[in-house]
Amino acid sequence: EPEVTQTPSHQVTQMGQEVILRCVPISNHLYFYWYRQILGQKVEFLVSFYNNEISEKSEIFDDQFSVERPDGSNFTLKIRSTKLEDSAMYFCASSEAGGGLIIGEKLFFGSGTQLSVL
Amino acid sequence: AQTVTQSQPEMSVQEAETVTLSCTYDTSESDYYLFWYKQPPSRQMILVIRQEAYKQQNATENRFSVNFQKAAKSFSLKISDSQLGDAAMYFCATYSQGGSEKLVFGKGTKLTVNP
Repeated sequence: EPEVTQTPSHQVTQMGQEVILRCVPISNHLYFYWYRQILGQKVEFLVSFYNNEISEKSEIFDDQFSVERPDGSNFTLKIRSTKLEDSAMYFCASSEAGGGLIIGEKLFFGSGTQLSVL
Repeated sequence: AQTVTQSQPEMSVQEAETVTLSCTYDTSESDYYLFWYKQPPSRQMILVIRQEAYKQQNATENRFSVNFQKAAKSFSLKISDSQLGDAAMYFCATYSQGGSEKLVFGKGTKLTVNP
């Protein structure tokens, strides 16, 4: 079965540093997402991306965050200046179509990147 | 705004027994979808089962089934013949067609399966 790949699995950084989390969505998918989960809390939506632009973002996704699809295969989440409260598991997800959930396609999640900000 | 509530932070079940995890939700949309995701210790998110709100028939996937009560906005997950590998966090989530592309998750229920 195809899968969404995320690297690294664990990233440790110092507060104030920039981090880039990388994701390789499933090859024929067109819609891409980032979610995050602070330890012990629920999974929260960050941003959705389609046709090389953000289609929706949450209030969490402030100016410190950006996303990019630099080369047609990777999908990255950049945090410009990390804060302690950015420590979380970050999940990338992709789907074949928008509202792909509603036409029978699954939303495929990657296995996550655990970001630890010290 | 959509909300999802899982009122059971933790549940336990004996191996081979049946357990039901509760979920209630609130949405103003008429066209929406409901999901249960499993998150094992590896923290990967795995889709267990999905339900389209317009379908009256409850979804079933092998040992997993749901009890969808639309009027009550309730969407519980029943796991039959529980196995040790079912031990995980279970998240209920909803998705509404209405412009938003996001899933809204509940806080999760930690399921322990006792041998």
